[in-house]
Amino acid sequence: GESVGLHLPTLSVQEGDNSIINCAYSNSASDYFIWYKQESGKGPQFIIDIRSNMDKRQGQRVTVLLNKTVKHLSLQIAATQPGDSAVYFCAENSGGSNYKLTFGKGTLLTVNP
Amino acid sequence: DVKVTQSSRYLVKRTGEKVFLECVQDMDHENMFWYRQDPGLGLRLIYFSYDVKMKEKGDIPEGYSVSREKKERFSLILESASTNQTSMYLCASVSFEYTGELFFGEGSRLTVL
Repeated sequence: GESVGLHLPTLSVQEGDNSIINCAYSNSASDYFIWYKQESGKGPQFIIDIRSNMDKRQGQRVTVLLNKTVKHLSLQIAATQPGDSAVYFCAENSGGSNYKLTFGKGTLLTVNP
Repeated sequence: DVKVTQSSRYLVKRTGEKVFLECVQDMDHENMFWYRQDPGLGLRLIYFSYDVKMKEKGDIPEGYSVSREKKERFSLILESASTNQTSMYLCASVSFEYTGELFFGEGSRLTVL
């Protein structure tokens, strides 16, 4: 999951397994959450978003779960592939705007062939 | 393909030099952002702009200024670079539509000696 320290949390999985990346968000007033993927040498790329009136949203091979009670967000990746290796960031609109986002510190996902 | 282009991928500057980082987007987006990314700290918002000639401070504006003279272009300026501004700088843009799908550039890695 996300860390408040300088060490990037890491998750290592085997190709074909499911991955779960966790994020604890900070502001109980946040009502919009996004997951981004950042591959080495590239800028972050939007994966999926969810609003606080939902607790689950599914995309292609990805599912985001939101637990507002404990301020927890997770990203599930089904049948993880080597191309999924990247740093994953959660973000929340703690500034009250959909655009002014606060990002978590990221989790490094490594997929072993 | 939508595109956010940052003019320089890698820069090396000396302490006290003035640094310009340029960002251009071709999506006619109203909102543009400058983030810096440091290991273990995630993305932190420096400044953003929601219209031409409009700007707002983000979470870490000290030591930076910005310019938005045209809708497609957002520049980050370091008036007098310091070593603690060595970082990866990411530009992003998004439309006014109700979405957090920021489009990021590839980043500009600045080293200040």
